[in-house]
Amino acid sequence: EDQVTQSPEALRLQEGESSSLNCSYTVSGLRGLFWYRQDPGKGPEFLFTLYSAGEEKEKERLKATLTKKESFLHITAPKPEDSATYLCAVPYSSASKIIFGSGTRLSIRP
Amino acid sequence: GAVVSQHPSRVICKSGTSVKIECRSLDFQATTMFWYRQFPKQSLMLMATSNEGSKATYEQGVEKDKFLINHASLTLSTLTVTSAHPEDSSFYICSARARGVGADTQYFGPGTRLTVL
Repeated sequence: EDQVTQSPEALRLQEGESSSLNCSYTVSGLRGLFWYRQDPGKGPEFLFTLYSAGEEKEKERLKATLTKKESFLHITAPKPEDSATYLCAVPYSSASKIIFGSGTRLSIRP
Repeated sequence: GAVVSQHPSRVICKSGTSVKIECRSLDFQATTMFWYRQFPKQSLMLMATSNEGSKATYEQGVEKDKFLINHASLTLSTLTVTSAHPEDSSFYICSARARGVGADTQYFGPGTRLTVL
């Protein structure tokens, strides 16, 4: 069964304190893994697509990495404006739709 | 690039009325559009998949006669909530999948907050 699990559910960090969010998945024939950021009351904002194990992508203080079983979203020296819910998702094995994890609520204290 | 808009951003209506929400891909053609619903502090729940020129595919438990979806062109899909009731109050979000490069990546609209009184 296709499944996506994110951890931790919530993470509170001090400004400047680096950390990582985890997304583990079970799907046959991975066709991509997506990371999104969602602010309260808004739609998810696209961050990254990773296609194969070993791939890495960076955007400002965020870096996403991918292995055969999981992906990490590393956040380096975060700022309060990085506070949001981070969602990962993968396409279903046999359909065009994607399955979301439950998200990690990240809170950065000044 | 890959901008998706939704209109309206917020709507309040009386019970029994119908509400139409528009989703547009502004700078790309979308082969497929998706409609989601999100309750507070929960992740997105897929309602239906919409392909241009064909009938939408609804997820299990979603009433197709209540949530009418029309995908008239490669840049526009609409969701109509018919005879809305308070339990339909939610945050509705659409997404669009682009052709070609970055296939399968979905780009999301800003969402529509529906409140049924």
